[in-house]
Amino acid sequence: EVQLQESGPGLVKPSQSLSLTCSVTGYSITSNYWGWIRKFPGNKMEWMGYISYSGSTSYNPSLKSRISITRDTSKNQFFLQLNSVTTEDTATYYCARLRLGGGFDYWGQGVMVTVSS
Amino acid sequence: DIVLTQSPALAVSLGQRATISCRASESVRSSMHWYQQKSGQQPKLLIYGASNLASGVPARFSGSGSGTDFTFTIDPVEADDIATYYCQQSRNDPYTFGAGTKLELK
Repeated sequence: EVQLQESGPGLVKPSQSLSLTCSVTGYSITSNYWGWIRKFPGNKMEWMGYISYSGSTSYNPSLKSRISITRDTSKNQFFLQLNSVTTEDTATYYCARLRLGGGFDYWGQGVMVTVSS
Repeated sequence: DIVLTQSPALAVSLGQRATISCRASESVRSSMHWYQQKSGQQPKLLIYGASNLASGVPARFSGSGSGTDFTFTIDPVEADDIATYYCQQSRNDPYTFGAGTKLELK
């Protein structure tokens, strides 16, 4: 069974970097695409970006140059780094598998990240 | 970016049909997907490609539409279906989500 689990700090100070890990079991990240999605207080959802089976990436332009998604295939993990965070980055962050043909079919449980001094 | 418009809430009686709409600001062809999210849980994919039932999802759930107008239906509604439902398009980057429709009981 495919399982994803996010991990990382729940509290980040403004202007610092947010770093999260998504650990995948039951499926290799060298297949499919793997994304990060966040849900803000108030329920708005935002696709942040993904990393492909080959390691190529695509990011939401709204995040401009603040975002980076990388991976470690030996550990079957992929990572999110979001730089220069503000309080507006407070959200629940999810990692998910993007099925071929569209739609995120497996999700992690999510990690709540608060940006506050 | 493609904007997806959903009604914020829908009240329905148990055993009745619930129909949720999603309108895209431009055509997404059939690249529309539907998710259920219950409080405190991660989203769950129910429908992909506008009308295809995801694995393990009951046939009470269905989707239709193409282009800019899409419909998600639950028939009949059960108590366990009380949740927020989101549409999401993957036609164009950036992928975008609707604001969600909260399904409530009458």
